[in-house]
Amino acid sequence: SQELEQSPQSLIVQEGKNLTINCTSSKTLYGLYWYKQKYGEGLIFLMMLQKGGEEKSHEKITAKLDEKKQQSSLHITASQPSHAGIYLCGADSGNSGYALNFGKGTSLLVTP
Amino acid sequence: GAGVSQTPSNKVTEKGKYVELRCDPISGHTALYWYRQSLGQGPEFLIYFQGTGAADDSGLPNDRFFAVRPEGSVSTLKIQRTERGDSAVYLCASSLSPGIGNTIYFGEGSWLTVV
Repeated sequence: SQELEQSPQSLIVQEGKNLTINCTSSKTLYGLYWYKQKYGEGLIFLMMLQKGGEEKSHEKITAKLDEKKQQSSLHITASQPSHAGIYLCGADSGNSGYALNFGKGTSLLVTP
Repeated sequence: GAGVSQTPSNKVTEKGKYVELRCDPISGHTALYWYRQSLGQGPEFLIYFQGTGAADDSGLPNDRFFAVRPEGSVSTLKIQRTERGDSAVYLCASSLSPGIGNTIYFGEGSWLTVV
């Protein structure tokens, strides 16, 4: 079965700093989803990447998909306290779009 | 509703009891998914419905777990003879249709605690 490894497991950054979270798959990636989860809440959809080399941005968050490396990265520019939470990557290895496998998440804390 | 709605938001039950968790997907979404998330872990797939039928139930841990979606909209996850290990957040999600390219929206989850 596909495994997704996220790094780092946790991150503490000062407000205004940039940061990157990585998600590496043990198998070919056909689609990669990024979600944010606030403590004790549901998952909030951020972005979905489908093609190798694809890059998407929303506000200060950019996600890229490197098909060859079977990896995706999530980059936050000029972090704010509102970015704090757990970032989860989810992927479907079989191009079916239903049984997503998720990484364990990266916990982000942004300090003033 | 505007988003995926789950009830109850919290449930505390005694070991051995029966529990039902309800999910109301986004209107018009044919695909519905149940996931379970334990502390410090990512969500784990349980079951997927396309319309009324369970297209894939390979993630259900054992026969104490069962889910239905009789009219192709609301779904109920049923857990019999609950055990302490069943304590987790149960997340429901829906998408317009299955397949890559369709955004999967999650609900807030139902926190289940078995004491």
